Amino acid sequence: EDQVTQSPEALRLQEGESSSLNCSYTVSGLRGLFWYRQDPGKGPEFLFTLYSAGEEKEKERLKATLTKKESFLHITAPKPEDSATYLCAVSSGGGGSYIPTFGRGTSLIVHP
Amino acid sequence: ETGVTQSPTHLIKTRGQQVTLRCSSQSGHNTVSWYQQALGQGPQFIFQYYREEENGRGNFPPRFSGLQFPNYSSELNVNALELDDSALYLCASSLAGGRVDTQYFGPGTRLTVL
Repeated sequence: EDQVTQSPEALRLQEGESSSLNCSYTVSGLRGLFWYRQDPGKGPEFLFTLYSAGEEKEKERLKATLTKKESFLHITAPKPEDSATYLCAVSSGGGGSYIPTFGRGTSLIVHP
Repeated sequence: ETGVTQSPTHLIKTRGQQVTLRCSSQSGHNTVSWYQQALGQGPQFIFQYYREEENGRGNFPPRFSGLQFPNYSSELNVNALELDDSALYLCASSLAGGRVDTQYFGPGTRLTVL
């Protein structure tokens, strides 16, 4: 059974204070690891898909990296509008349906 | 390109009633998945539909059922509502057959059961 653990549960940063969110996973045969951003009461917004260890992807102030056991979402010089919950999910092989398993998320608050 | 849409936005029901939630998939997508998200939790997989057939199911009782239509839109039906069914219900669409099926979510339907 696929498992995803995100840490920390909550993170408070000052504007401009860079940090990283962690996603540890256990999966038999990783097909893909996904990062989403979710604002309160809204649906998750897709950020990145990573496929293999060593892969990195960037979008504005966000950079996602992947190892064989975990992924990091690095936030460089965050702004208050980056405040949201960040969700990590993994998809493993078998059956072709690629149904992802989600973590509980990290709630990020960026203070001005 | 049209994104995933869901209706209604909010819904209030009483225990024992039945509810139907609707989802239109993103244009070009052929697979729809439904999730339940309780407050402070990650989305929990309910089921997935591909080519109008159920293609996987999570740990939810049979009173949760669904449909997918030829235009790839979908419905989630919940019978005999319980208080614990109160949650944000999310629909996600994807295109099966690629390297991995990245899912794109709709805005969700907030269901409150009183």
